[in-house]
Amino acid sequence: IAGITQAPTSQILAAGRRMTLRCTQDMRHNAMYWYRQDLGLGLRLIHYSNTAGTTGKGEVPDGYSVSRANTDDFPLTLASAVPSQTSVYFCASSNQWGTEAFFGQGTRLTVV
Amino acid sequence: EDQVTQSPEALRLQEGESSSLNCSYTVSGLRGLFWYRQDPGKGPEFLFTLYSAGEEKEKERLKATLTKKESFLHITAPKPEDSATYLCAVHSDYKLSFGAGTTVTVRA
Repeated sequence: IAGITQAPTSQILAAGRRMTLRCTQDMRHNAMYWYRQDLGLGLRLIHYSNTAGTTGKGEVPDGYSVSRANTDDFPLTLASAVPSQTSVYFCASSNQWGTEAFFGQGTRLTVV
Repeated sequence: EDQVTQSPEALRLQEGESSSLNCSYTVSGLRGLFWYRQDPGKGPEFLFTLYSAGEEKEKERLKATLTKKESFLHITAPKPEDSATYLCAVHSDYKLSFGAGTTVTVRA
């Protein structure tokens, strides 16, 4: 079934540890995005990529990094996790015309 | 900076009681306005994309409309299974910018 797969589904992480959230899509979408969703704050863009080999910063990029080595994969890395990064993280992708945009099922991350 | 405001924050409806959700936006270079449905613990589920003022799209009991400054999501004769948070997003240049959502609860 076509779509976006995120891993892991949930994770408890000690503060200061490094963590990579994985995201893979099989729709050959050019654009991919990482959002975090927090109660009362809605979905906020962390980083995005318009095409393989390029990335850009969203509205809350600090403490996160991304890479886009190919079309299908867009991992999000927390270099040194802090409790304020406790959130639900969603990966999304859209086609080049912006006619559709789909989300993964989310990763629930707790930093303690 | 793109801004998206949804109202109301929450909406409680009786089954069969039609209503509308509002999404007002300011954006430079709108490429599309998206509506999503999100159930608790799940990712947003794509519903519609609207591109130009006057455009309308329908899916079951949902109809989305678009003007130059806002979009409405009309829910006709809702059922309990329509209970969810409905998210609006604008697509401009490189990103989707989301509103905070409207949580709809439909009572049987």
